[in-house]
Amino acid sequence: DAMVIQNPRYQVTQFGKPVTLSCSQTLNHNVMYWYQQKSSQAPKLLFHYYDKDFNNEADTPDNFQSRRPNTSFCFLDIRSPGLGDAAMYLCATSRDPTEQYEQYFGPGTRLTVT
Amino acid sequence: QQQVKQSPQSLIVQKGGIPIINCAYENTAFDYFPWYQQFPGKGPALLIAIRPDVSEKKEGRFTISFNKSAKQFSLHIMDSQPGDSATYFCAASTRSTDKLIFGTGTRLQVFP
Repeated sequence: DAMVIQNPRYQVTQFGKPVTLSCSQTLNHNVMYWYQQKSSQAPKLLFHYYDKDFNNEADTPDNFQSRRPNTSFCFLDIRSPGLGDAAMYLCATSRDPTEQYEQYFGPGTRLTVT
Repeated sequence: QQQVKQSPQSLIVQKGGIPIINCAYENTAFDYFPWYQQFPGKGPALLIAIRPDVSEKKEGRFTISFNKSAKQFSLHIMDSQPGDSATYFCAASTRSTDKLIFGTGTRLQVFP
């Protein structure tokens, strides 16, 4: 089945220790998104890629970076995680920007910062 | 103007009841209104969606009602089941932006 896969599902890191979360998709979609979701809140868009074009949200901290080496993979790098970065990180895809209303989400990576 | 307001924050119904979740928006440029369902520990999944030129859309037990003049839309779940217990997010999007604007979410609990 075509899907969005996130690894790892659970990640524990230390305060200030860089961490990378990965996302892969078999849907061959052009757009990939990274969201941060804290408990009982809506997903908050961090950035997205349309093909290789990177689009950063204005309020995304510089601490968060992303890479998309090819169509299938996208990475979220948190350079110096703080306690406030503990959250569920969701990767999503859509076929193209005009179909952004239909996004396919992965299961998420729950990040704990100690 | 880019916000989507959602209510209630939480909802408890008995099995067979008809929970209703309401959303309101200001931006008349929004042209697509999806609903996402999220189970604990999972990513959201598209449940049903509607365009503003349609007043109602049904898919199985799920119905969206849309009131363009009032800039409101709602989700009705007919014959609700315990398996419907989840968090529901309304959302809105426009062709001019390439992102979704999510509501704040409604946690639904359906008791047997």
